Amino acid sequence: DTGVSQNPRHKITKRGQNVTFRCDPISEHNRLYWYRQTLGQGPEFLTYFQNEAQLEKSRLLSDRFSAERPKGSFSTLEIQRTEQGDSAMYLCASSLALSTANEKLFFGSGTQLSVL
Amino acid sequence: QKEVEQDPGPLSVPEGAIVSLNCTYSNSAFQYFMWYRQYSRKGPELLMYTYSSGNKEDGRFTAQVDKSSKYISLFIRDSQPSDSATYLCAMGAAGTASKLTFGTGTRLQVTL
Repeated sequence: DTGVSQNPRHKITKRGQNVTFRCDPISEHNRLYWYRQTLGQGPEFLTYFQNEAQLEKSRLLSDRFSAERPKGSFSTLEIQRTEQGDSAMYLCASSLALSTANEKLFFGSGTQLSVL
Repeated sequence: QKEVEQDPGPLSVPEGAIVSLNCTYSNSAFQYFMWYRQYSRKGPELLMYTYSSGNKEDGRFTAQVDKSSKYISLFIRDSQPSDSATYLCAMGAAGTASKLTFGTGTRLQVTL
């Protein structure tokens, strides 16, 4: 499978616990994005990387959230001290950015987080 | 007011019907427009990508963009039960990478 891979598919945690999600992008893609989607809504941008550099973070990304992309390959998204409002589908996407006009975003299947 | 408005549906049509899905937007900076299909508990799948006003056709799908009216559409011809999914419009501004703004999605049900 050469698509975007996300693990785990589902995560149930108790409020206050830390969780970490992993994303493996399409191998030749240089950009990696994290989005969040709640029930009945479209995905919302959280942050993105070009290679290993984190270039932008949304104001939605509180201090409890941190993302990394070491060596410009896979990425992790960590949420510390989870809250019930963090319950959502966390989507990873990747793209090959040669020029903005041609960039197409390909999504993984997401990690569904439930905070009890 | 949201930057992108999309009727959430649900929209139910018989097999073989032509489906019309629409989004309006308010941000004049949006330059490129996409339609994604999302099946339940899956990630969005890119269907159509357009960078200018006008029509773009791909098989049974036609995307229309009218920048003067800030209105985009997706038409599905000869709809099939396998087209039953949520359809999300998404758009982005030039120079902002793929920080896309999505609509809420329209749920489509194609019945036999």
